Amino acid sequence: NAGVMQNPRHLVRRRGQEARLRCSPMKGHSHVYWYRQLPEEGLKFMVYLQKENIIDESGMPKERFSAEFPKEGPSILRIQQVVRGDSAAYFCASSPEVSAVTYNEQFFGPGTRLTVL
Amino acid sequence: QKEVEQDPGPLSVPEGAIVSLNCTYSNSAFQYFMWYRQYSRKGPELLMYTYSSGNKEDGRFTAQVDKSSKYISLFIRDSQPSDSATYLCALLGLDKLIFGTGTRLQVFP
Repeated sequence: NAGVMQNPRHLVRRRGQEARLRCSPMKGHSHVYWYRQLPEEGLKFMVYLQKENIIDESGMPKERFSAEFPKEGPSILRIQQVVRGDSAAYFCASSPEVSAVTYNEQFFGPGTRLTVL
Repeated sequence: QKEVEQDPGPLSVPEGAIVSLNCTYSNSAFQYFMWYRQYSRKGPELLMYTYSSGNKEDGRFTAQVDKSSKYISLFIRDSQPSDSATYLCALLGLDKLIFGTGTRLQVFP
């Protein structure tokens, strides 16, 4: 059973370009989370998605950032018109379900390291 | 005030030492408390989780939660060079993890 897969592992963009980060959850997982890790900082929640639905985007910057998790295919985190401050490691996690009464582990992918020149 | 506070270290100890890693948090509503380990350039991996207050042991690792003082700890016994990594505490909100900044641990032979 393959783990959470993310690609590309490294992405270099110039200021103003678009960045697309992909995440394939573990088999059988229908919940995807995106986190961002800035240098010397902990991971910060960005967005939580289920298939075709955004459940919680409270951690997403209001502009330039968007996320989707279509019925078929991977989840995509899209950053338009990138700026140097977007340089970070972006991690995707997946879980089988979310419950208020039991704990469901979020399994993390290896991350995509975005560098904006 | 940050929701989770964690000393960033770095913490450098000799092989065989007992390591204590700690976090404090501000919201008493949290019920699940996690410790993740992150090796350089890798994704975080779950070490242990604890529900509510109490202790949990797994091999050389012990997690403690004191909800009355909003304090969580991870103890590593007989530390090994392979334990060298960044350790992140995390609290589980309804649908998201809230992480501390991580403590960088270096165990030297």
